[in-house]
Amino acid sequence: DGGITQSPKYLFRKEGQNVTLSCEQNLNHDAMYWYRQDPGQGLRLIYYSQIVNDFQKGDIAEGYSVSREKKESFPLTVTSAQKNPTAFYLCASRTTRLEGSGNTIYFGEGSWLTVV
Amino acid sequence: AQSVSQHNHHVILSEAASLELGCNYSYGGTVNLFWYVQYPGQHLQLLLKYFSGDPLVKGIKGFEAEFIKSKFSFNLRKPSVQWSDTAEYFCAVNARRWASKIIFGSGTRLSIRP
Repeated sequence: DGGITQSPKYLFRKEGQNVTLSCEQNLNHDAMYWYRQDPGQGLRLIYYSQIVNDFQKGDIAEGYSVSREKKESFPLTVTSAQKNPTAFYLCASRTTRLEGSGNTIYFGEGSWLTVV
Repeated sequence: AQSVSQHNHHVILSEAASLELGCNYSYGGTVNLFWYVQYPGQHLQLLLKYFSGDPLVKGIKGFEAEFIKSKFSFNLRKPSVQWSDTAEYFCAVNARRWASKIIFGSGTRLSIRP
């Protein structure tokens, strides 16, 4: 089935450690995104990538890093510099064609990160 | 700064009541607008979207939204809600000049009393 796969679903991290969240899509989408969801704050954009080997900071990029070496993959690293990393992280993707469903963004099931 | 505002944080209604959830955005150019829904324990899914043309857009499950350009608004409506509409609703905006960037509002939690 086509879709977006995030792993792991649940992750615990000790303070001071970096952790990488995986996001893979087999939808042949050009653009990929990482959002963070916190209660009462909705979805906040961390990073997005329009094409392979290119990515842009979103509204809350500090303490995070990404790479886009392959079209299918957009991993997010939560570094020790992120002051409040405990959250629900959502990966998403969409094609960049304008017609039809081109602008619809599709989401993965999310990853829960808890810092202990 | 670019932003999307959803002023209703939590809305509680009885079944069969009418629903309107507000969404305002702060960008003056050409925009694409979306409403997403997140049912308890499920991932986000698209309710409806506006790209161009008729400003009244119909989506799934009886939802509709109206784009009013002069008010920078894209309010979500449903004439008669059901208990199964209990969920969190998110408005999102993509401006043509932003290319792929999509910004979401803070969400509105809708609780329906049976």
